[in-house]
Amino acid sequence: DAGVIQSPRHEVTEMGQEVTLRCKPISGHNSLFWYRQTMMRGLELLIYFNNNVPIDDSGMPEDRFSAKMPNASFSTLKIQPSEPRDSAVYFCASSLMGIAGELFFGEGSRLTVL
Amino acid sequence: ILNVEQSPQSLHVQEGDSTNFTCSFPSSNFYALHWYRWETAKSPEALFVMTLNGDEKKKGRISATLNTKEGYSYLYIKGSQPEDSATYLCAPVGGGYQKVTFGTGTKLQVIP
Repeated sequence: DAGVIQSPRHEVTEMGQEVTLRCKPISGHNSLFWYRQTMMRGLELLIYFNNNVPIDDSGMPEDRFSAKMPNASFSTLKIQPSEPRDSAVYFCASSLMGIAGELFFGEGSRLTVL
Repeated sequence: ILNVEQSPQSLHVQEGDSTNFTCSFPSSNFYALHWYRWETAKSPEALFVMTLNGDEKKKGRISATLNTKEGYSYLYIKGSQPEDSATYLCAPVGGGYQKVTFGTGTKLQVIP
């Protein structure tokens, strides 16, 4: 079975550009999570969805970040405009049982903003 | 922000030694406790999700216990092997925060 699929795996962009990260959760999973990995903060939760509805977006850094889940099989995380401090690895994870179930992580999208 | 503490931050053990680490979290409004194993250049992989006080779970040489009343969980590795080298993350859910919040982890290095 395919796991969580993220794209792109690597993205290098210039400051001010729009960045869109994509995630396809495991089929049948009802929850989707976006995390950001940085040296300073480790793995921090940005937002999570349950049944395509955003439940908690308190971790989204600022208005430059937005996330959508238009259907059960696709989510996007958008940064507009991007800044060098947004450089990080962004992980998407999905779960069959929400916050009480194991999270299955994608391979991550490494973003570098110059 | 949910206060999660993991100790030690890092440790080195010899192959064959057994080891354990601690995850501390607020005991109020406990909901669940996740443990993950994260190898360098890979993605975190789930080990256990625990919900009941006194619960003990086991997967091969790795086991975990949970004390929700005092707010801690132990992860044990019996007979450590070099392939156990990884960062072990815990993530409690509770304390009024209904989301999976990761600690900074314990980085384990098993020396052959």
